[in-house]
Amino acid sequence: AQSVTQPDIHITVSEGASLELRCNYSYGATPYLFWYVQSPGQGLQLLLKYFSGDTLVQGIKGFEAEFKRSQSSFNLRKPSVHWSDAAEYFCAVGAGGNKLVFGAGTILRVKS
Amino acid sequence: DSGVTQTPKHLITATGQRVTLRCSPRSGDLSVYWYQQSLDQGLQFLIQYYNGEERAKGNILERFSAQQFPDLHSELNLSSLELGDSALYFCASSVDRTGNRNGYTFGSGTRLTVV
Repeated sequence: AQSVTQPDIHITVSEGASLELRCNYSYGATPYLFWYVQSPGQGLQLLLKYFSGDTLVQGIKGFEAEFKRSQSSFNLRKPSVHWSDAAEYFCAVGAGGNKLVFGAGTILRVKS
Repeated sequence: DSGVTQTPKHLITATGQRVTLRCSPRSGDLSVYWYQQSLDQGLQFLIQYYNGEERAKGNILERFSAQQFPDLHSELNLSSLELGDSALYFCASSVDRTGNRNGYTFGSGTRLTVV
């Protein structure tokens, strides 16, 4: 079965700085990959997804993610963080006939 | 509005009581997934239904049960409630059995407080 690891529990960045959130997965073949964002007290919202084609995918709110098969990674990036990006971010992987598996999440804090 | 409707949004109840959480999936979605989110446990998968049938089971306590009805809405029943059951309960839906191609659509959750 697939698994996913988000190594960073918390990350703090300054407003206007670039952001990279890490996600590593374990699966033998190419999985389906997702990033979700959760604002406090809200449900999870899909930011972007990857399942084939161009390994750099664009999402909503100016986010992008790059699939790197050799590193089993799907890191989320944003060139310039805004205070409203403060939230928790979840990476998820889907594979085979199984439901999605979510990582433990990374809490992003933005300092002004 | 994601299209997934959860009611109620907030629920406060006493220990030992029983509650029912309701979820209406996005139109056209056949799968419903239930998750529990707490500060100490994070996002925990509870159970999945696909077109009325249970398809996957996670860390769901025996005191908890769920079902999906013919109109595809789902209910999560929590009984003999304990303080530790206080959490956000999310429902998500997908059009297929896995959500692999399009991901899940989440509702805004039900916040359960057990006092």
